[in-house]
Amino acid sequence: EPEVTQTPSHQVTQMGQEVILRCVPISNHLYFYWYRQILGQKVEFLVSFYNNEISEKSEIFDDQFSVERPDGSNFTLKIRSTKLEDSAMYFCASSESLAPSQETQYFGPGTRLLVL
Amino acid sequence: GNSVTQMEGPVTLSEEAFLTINCTYTATGYPSLFWYVQYPGEGLQLLLKATKADDKGSNKGFEATYRKETTSFHLEKGSVQVSDSAVYFCALSGNDSGYSTLTFGKGTMLLVSP
Repeated sequence: EPEVTQTPSHQVTQMGQEVILRCVPISNHLYFYWYRQILGQKVEFLVSFYNNEISEKSEIFDDQFSVERPDGSNFTLKIRSTKLEDSAMYFCASSESLAPSQETQYFGPGTRLLVL
Repeated sequence: GNSVTQMEGPVTLSEEAFLTINCTYTATGYPSLFWYVQYPGEGLQLLLKATKADDKGSNKGFEATYRKETTSFHLEKGSVQVSDSAVYFCALSGNDSGYSTLTFGKGTMLLVSP
């Protein structure tokens, strides 16, 4: 069964450093998403991406964050200058293109980011 | 805005007990409703979904019915197993823009003992 993959599974970084989290969505999916889950808190929406541009973003997704689809398979989340409060599990998800509000989003296993 | 409220956990049950995890929502429009499950050390997996009022989603013995009149989507299973121990998230999709942003509840941890 096709699945969303994410790398790395764990990342430790120093405050102020840039990190890039990588995702490979399911191959025939056209909508891509990033969510995060701070330990003990809700899973929160960050951004959605379609047709090589951001469709929607939350208040969390400020200028420190960016997303990119650098080639036909990868989807990346970059945090330019990490802060302690960016420590969280980051989930990538993808869905097919039709009727987006009803389509199932398939999640990857997540990248646990720890900012020291 | 959209929101999802789940019962606080952990829920602790013995094997073969009946499970209910309550979920209520607030949303504009006509959202789709989902239950996701997160097993220890793993990512979120879709458990079941319902896309319109009175639909019942079911999978692996779990079921939930989309109740528009009570804005609820409670998860039930008649006989839980130890392997069902996980965190369960209720979620809804859809907003005023029509995009499929998912709004999650806080999650409910289920612990099943033999």
